[in-house]
Amino acid sequence: QLQLQESGPGLVKPSETLSLTCTVSGGSISSSPYYWGWIRQPPGKGLEWIGTIYYTGTTFYNPSLKSRVTISVDTSKNEFSLKLTSVTAADTAVYYCARPLSDGHINWGQGTLVTVSS
Amino acid sequence: DIVMTQSPDSLAVSLGETATINCKSSQTILFNSNNKNYLGWYQQKPGQPPKLLIYWASTRESGVPDRFSGSGSGTDFTLTISSLQAEDVAVYYCQQYHTFPRNTFGQGTKLEIK
Repeated sequence: QLQLQESGPGLVKPSETLSLTCTVSGGSISSSPYYWGWIRQPPGKGLEWIGTIYYTGTTFYNPSLKSRVTISVDTSKNEFSLKLTSVTAADTAVYYCARPLSDGHINWGQGTLVTVSS
Repeated sequence: DIVMTQSPDSLAVSLGETATINCKSSQTILFNSNNKNYLGWYQQKPGQPPKLLIYWASTRESGVPDRFSGSGSGTDFTLTISSLQAEDVAVYYCQQYHTFPRNTFGQGTKLEIK
């Protein structure tokens, strides 16, 4: 059974870079035709798609975040990562890693809260 | 990107009654080649990731009670919850995957018991 687990600092200072990793178990990140992505949810607010990556490294980013986001994949470790630069309080959110499928299904991690504060 | 707009933002419905949530996309999410609408409905309860209820606009996910139903085509869609139960209190989201893997969500609709 596929499992995704987010990891990384729970507290990031303003203007710094948020870095999270998603470890995939129960399946290979290199399996075709799977994509891997990040979704976030500010406290009490809705879901925002951050971006998606294919195991080959092809990426698709939310235009509103594109200038600050990098998603990468490490097939040797079966994990993928998110970097978000120049963070502000508005980036405080629960960050989910996910495997979206082309039929609308999404496998979700449990989510990790990242707070941006000095 | 396709913008998804839900209405209302919140609603309160009595137990046993019917709740109706609407979702409108900024452009069609119907693929003529397979006549499928690339629209899903998710339910989210506090502290949990969202759970898929409906995909292809009207196909119920395995294990989802049949009081949940989806309808609509093109740009206008509806999630209907009949015989509302207390455990249905949640936030509901529509999601388009017409532009997969650049999916987008609606802003969410909070459902409460009246």
